[in-house]
Amino acid sequence: NAGVTQTPKFQVLKTGQSMTLQCAQDMNHNSMYWYRQDPGMGLRLIYYSASEGTTDKGEVPNGYNVSRLNKREFSLRLESAAPSQTSVYFCASSDSRGGSRNQPQHFGDGTRLSIL
Amino acid sequence: SQQGEEDPQALSIQEGENATMNCSYKTSINNLQWYRQNSGRGLVHLILIRSNEREKHSGRLRVTLDTSKKSSSLLITASRAADTASYFCATDEWGGGADGLTFGKGTHLIIQP
Repeated sequence: NAGVTQTPKFQVLKTGQSMTLQCAQDMNHNSMYWYRQDPGMGLRLIYYSASEGTTDKGEVPNGYNVSRLNKREFSLRLESAAPSQTSVYFCASSDSRGGSRNQPQHFGDGTRLSIL
Repeated sequence: SQQGEEDPQALSIQEGENATMNCSYKTSINNLQWYRQNSGRGLVHLILIRSNEREKHSGRLRVTLDTSKKSSSLLITASRAADTASYFCATDEWGGGADGLTFGKGTHLIIQP
């Protein structure tokens, strides 16, 4: 039972570099999400994908792009990293079949990203 | 913007005591959820309460929801050292365009052995 798997677990980048955070889930969930968590803050939604082939912006999408590669995988890309993007990034998934919103989200263990 | 606000921000109690955390939110909701986060780990779902429910139980957890006051509480009974973690409430906003949750800043709970 892997659940939601995120890679890498840790990464250090220099300002201006690019990278892609990977996320995969094995629960056959339709919906997937990317959040960021900053010290003393709750999680904030960056992007989400309600189903394969669709993506939408969340609360803090600037500076990020996403790709829903298939039902299992949802990646987050930083094109030109900035120090303000130093954060812990969490991927989550939920079973939203039938449009149900009353479902829990399942989280990965996060990617700790530092931008120097 | 943050939807939920947990209170207190930090709570330290003795093992065996009960712990109560509160959450307030601002808009109408479909449901409210509570999550636990252990240090260095992802969030783990604890309980979901729908907007038409007033109370829900799961093991040692009891959650109440008062939609008229836009508030919720999480009670952990007979606390254990393993309950030490941060606890977050999260709301699914009614009519919200974004299909994601809005989280509060969390309550950091420490259980003293």
